[in-house]
Amino acid sequence: QLQLQESGPGLVKPSETLSLTCTVSGGSISSSSYYWGWIRQPPGKGLEWIGSIYYSGSTYYNPSLKSRVTISVDTSKNQFSLKLSSVTAADTAVYYCARLAPGGRFDPWGQGTLVTVSS
Amino acid sequence: QSALTQPASVSGSPGQSITISCTGTSSDVGGYNYVSWYQQHPGKAPKLMIYEVSNRPSGVSNRFSGSKSGNTASLTISGLQAEDEADYYCSSYTSSSTNYVFGTGTKVTVL
Repeated sequence: QLQLQESGPGLVKPSETLSLTCTVSGGSISSSSYYWGWIRQPPGKGLEWIGSIYYSGSTYYNPSLKSRVTISVDTSKNQFSLKLSSVTAADTAVYYCARLAPGGRFDPWGQGTLVTVSS
Repeated sequence: QSALTQPASVSGSPGQSITISCTGTSSDVGGYNYVSWYQQHPGKAPKLMIYEVSNRPSGVSNRFSGSKSGNTASLTISGLQAEDEADYYCSSYTSSSTNYVFGTGTKVTVL
């Protein structure tokens, strides 16, 4: 059974870089046909797609975050990572990683990790 | 790219059927059969309930069904149960540079 798990600091200072890693178990991140994505959810608010990556390293990002986002993949560790630079309080959210299947369905999801931006 | 529009809340009694709408544009919901629905209980990750408008993943109850007409997709929950009380989000592929857009979310309350 495919499982995803986010990890990284729960507290980041304003203007610094948020860094998270998603570890995939029960399957290979190098599976063809699937992308891998990051989605976030500010407290009490809705979901926002951040970006996605293929195992080859091909990426695409939400234009609203593109200037600050980098997503990378490490196939040897079966992991992919998110970096979001110059964070502000508006970036405080639960960050989820998920597999993105053809047709745009995110499944499964990691449990999510809360990242708070505060000094 | 704006979020897809959903009603803020929908409620129903146990055993009843409810329908949640998800309105977009011809660039997303209306243009592609790539609408998904997610259920999210408090403090939990979203769970895929419907994909490609009307397909159910294995393990999802057949009380959940999806459809689409024009720029509006719908999720119907029949035989409403207490465990269905949750937030529901739609999502769609979009031809805009955003690629994927989510709905505003709907809180389902079982009376």
